[in-house]
Amino acid sequence: DTAVSQTPKYLVTQMGNDKSIKCEQNLGHDTMYWYKQDSKKFLKIMFSYNNKELIINETVPNRFSPKSPDKAHLNLHINSLELGDSAVYFCASSPFVAGSYNEQFFGPGTRLTVL
Amino acid sequence: QKEVEQNSGPLSVPEGAIASLNCTYSDRVSQSFFWYRQYSGKSPELIMSIYSNGDKEDGRFTAQLNKASQYVSLLIRDSQPSDSATYLCAVNSGNTPLVFGKGTRLSVIA
Repeated sequence: DTAVSQTPKYLVTQMGNDKSIKCEQNLGHDTMYWYKQDSKKFLKIMFSYNNKELIINETVPNRFSPKSPDKAHLNLHINSLELGDSAVYFCASSPFVAGSYNEQFFGPGTRLTVL
Repeated sequence: QKEVEQNSGPLSVPEGAIASLNCTYSDRVSQSFFWYRQYSGKSPELIMSIYSNGDKEDGRFTAQLNKASQYVSLLIRDSQPSDSATYLCAVNSGNTPLVFGKGTRLSVIA
């Protein structure tokens, strides 16, 4: 009965490869997010989708492309992986788009290592 | 640039003591304030949310908000070794993304 799930948990790959991370939530939330947490543990938002529509797109290289087939799923595809992409990527969801009461719930994370 | 500032720590407290974690934020119109706990190698877990000035208590946790001073804190009473983790403060204002501080590492010594 996992609320927010991600696959894979670990991803080790070579520079230049393309990889995807999948996220699913069974909380019935309308909004989903992708965050990146770097080696210094700083958690920074990358994207947000509300009901399959992109609503937040922070300054992220266009090698990163999110896709939301439905409001319960948000996937992240990364092209031409670089060493600096190594980080932990967290998916999260919340019941509201923004404003007050925007309590977000996080998935377990995907640790990406680019060699 | 909206900023959320936290002392990175580590903050060391003896078991049974009160741990006090502090956070300041730059955006005056911030509306929602959250504390997340993150154990090493795990995901952030929401432990408290507060939306109006004053104190909000939940078990051993008390969140305190002072919008005039742009300050939010988290008190943990009767600290336990299992409370050792990084505590992330997060702030939201209107239609903007949630902004996280860099976290304070808490170490509770048995």
